Amino acid sequence: EAGVAQSPRYKIIEKRQSVAFWCNPISGHATLYWYQQILGQGPKLLIQFQNNGVVDDSQLPKDRFSAERLKGVDSTLKIQPAKLEDSAVYLCASSPGLQATDTQYFGPGTRLTVL
Amino acid sequence: AQSVAQPEDQVNVAEGNPLTVKCTYSVSGNPYLFWYVQYPNRGLQFLLKYITGDNLVKGSYGFEAEFNKSQTSFHLKKPSALVSDSALYFCAVRDQPGAGSYQLTFGKGTKLSVIP
Repeated sequence: EAGVAQSPRYKIIEKRQSVAFWCNPISGHATLYWYQQILGQGPKLLIQFQNNGVVDDSQLPKDRFSAERLKGVDSTLKIQPAKLEDSAVYLCASSPGLQATDTQYFGPGTRLTVL
Repeated sequence: AQSVAQPEDQVNVAEGNPLTVKCTYSVSGNPYLFWYVQYPNRGLQFLLKYITGDNLVKGSYGFEAEFNKSQTSFHLKKPSALVSDSALYFCAVRDQPGAGSYQLTFGKGTKLSVIP
């Protein structure tokens, strides 16, 4: 079974530029998550989708971050414009459903460096 | 609000010795607890979880964890460490539905170094 796919793996941009990340979850998984992991910290949830609907985006900086999952499968996360403090690893995860007991499976992440 | 504490930034252990990575948690209701491992330039890999039942949970790669409700702890253990176990380990907690945040909250991680 294929895991969670993410691209690109690495991205370097100047501040105020835009960037987009792509995620394809495990086949059949209804729930998709985007996390931000700053160096030396644990992952922090940015947004959670159930199929193509948003379940929780309370920690998403909506003035610059946006995400969509239009067909309920793959998803994109966009930052526009980027700030220096957005330098982090962006992790995508998926789980079969919305049960609190469901395990989340993570992709390899995209390492973003903002100069 | 739910929270997770991993009190040690780094744990060093000799190869072949038992290892313990500590985790304590705080939730409103009953906890659902998870351990993940992260190798350099890789995503998080699931090791094991506690939902209910037996306090000793067995997981991947010979790891196990013991749930202790009175001490609000969920320490990760392995009887005999391997050099290949060297990685970053994350504990995470979710509160039971209706009791608190639905989010999975992670600790800041513990770096495990197994010395040959």
